[in-house]
Amino acid sequence: AQTVTQSQPEMSVQEAETVTLSCTYDTSESDYYLFWYKQPPSRQMILVIRQEAYKQQNATENRFSVNFQKAAKSFSLKISDSQLGDAAMYFCAYRSPNTGNQFYFGTGTSLTVIP
Amino acid sequence: DAGVIQSPRHEVTEMGQEVTLRCKPISGHDYLFWYRQTMMRGLELLIYFNNNVPIDDSGMPEDRFSAKMPNASFSTLKIQPSEPRDSAVYFCASSPAGQGYEKLFFGSGTQLSVL
Repeated sequence: AQTVTQSQPEMSVQEAETVTLSCTYDTSESDYYLFWYKQPPSRQMILVIRQEAYKQQNATENRFSVNFQKAAKSFSLKISDSQLGDAAMYFCAYRSPNTGNQFYFGTGTSLTVIP
Repeated sequence: DAGVIQSPRHEVTEMGQEVTLRCKPISGHDYLFWYRQTMMRGLELLIYFNNNVPIDDSGMPEDRFSAKMPNASFSTLKIQPSEPRDSAVYFCASSPAGQGYEKLFFGSGTQLSVL
């Protein structure tokens, strides 16, 4: 099974500042996809951003961007201009069509936004 | 589309009782996943189906857990007999077929408490 590691159980950021959440993964595949999901206190899982491994360009969605380092097997999430609504659990996930298309999730990072 | 629908949203039961969790995936989605979320273990994949066929059930904790998908629009996760350590949030999620880029659509989860 693929392994996804989030080494930061908790992070905090001041409102309007920038924070980076780390994610590493272990795979021997070359074709795969990476995702960041957000889980606010409502419990609903929301897709934040996704990245195709064959694309060198880092994905960006408004204030959210990733730093994808394929050789290092690293996929960090950067949140710019942090807002109170960004407070949530963030999960990194891996998916590959070569491993049955199942999703592998990290253990999550709890982000606190300080007003 | 109404999204992935799970029921019940909350379930409180006594140890030894049978519990059945239900899920209606998004119409047209080929994959259905059952996850369990706890503070200690994060998101654990229990089982997933492709076109109603179970593909990987290696995450099912023990024989007390069983899952079925009798048709493309319905799945159940059953625990019999339930134990206090089964207390968790259980998520159902579905995804379209494809090459892996498609995201996972989550239901709102069932909060299970076994007393």
